[in-house]
Amino acid sequence: EDQVTQSPEALRLQEGESSSLNCSYTVSGLRGLFWYRQDPGKGPEFLFTLYSAGEEKEKERLKATLTKKESFLHITAPKPEDSATYLCAVRSSGTYKYIFGTGTRLKVLA
Amino acid sequence: KAGVTQTPRYLIKTRGQQVTLSCSPISGHRSVSWYQQTPGQGLQFLFEYFSETQRNKGNFPGRFSGRQFSNSRSEMNVSTLELGDSALYLCASSLSTSGRKNDYEQYFGPGTRLTVT
Repeated sequence: EDQVTQSPEALRLQEGESSSLNCSYTVSGLRGLFWYRQDPGKGPEFLFTLYSAGEEKEKERLKATLTKKESFLHITAPKPEDSATYLCAVRSSGTYKYIFGTGTRLKVLA
Repeated sequence: KAGVTQTPRYLIKTRGQQVTLSCSPISGHRSVSWYQQTPGQGLQFLFEYFSETQRNKGNFPGRFSGRQFSNSRSEMNVSTLELGDSALYLCASSLSTSGRKNDYEQYFGPGTRLTVT
């Protein structure tokens, strides 16, 4: 069964304290791994798509990487405005459905 | 380019009633997917429409239905509302056409907050 697990569930960082969020997946053929940011009461905002192991994408303080079993979202020198829930999703080539993890709630303290 | 829009943004209904939610995708996007988001279950896939046809379906009861129009706009309907249907309903659109990698990136609307009392 296709599955996505994100860890940790919640993370508190001091401003400037770098860290990584994990997204582990099992899927019958990966047709893309997607990272989103979601602020309270809003729809998820698209961040990155990764398609093959070894691929990396960067945007400002965020960098996403992909292996055959997991993806990491690295946050370098975070700021309070990076506080949000970060969601990971995969698209399965078996079902063509998008499966989402339950997210990591990130809080960056000033 | 305008983003995905959803109407209404907020809705309060009573158990047993039915509700219709609307989604307008990004111009040129042909696929529309619907999700239910609750604090306990996270984002759960409801269904996907492409070119007016349901292409994929999640594990929800038949009370949840949808449709897509020729202009790619989509509606979802929930009949005989239950308290457990209270959630944020999200719509996402993607190009989903030629099979190019970026065609499957989904862009979400702001959601419709449904409260069932």
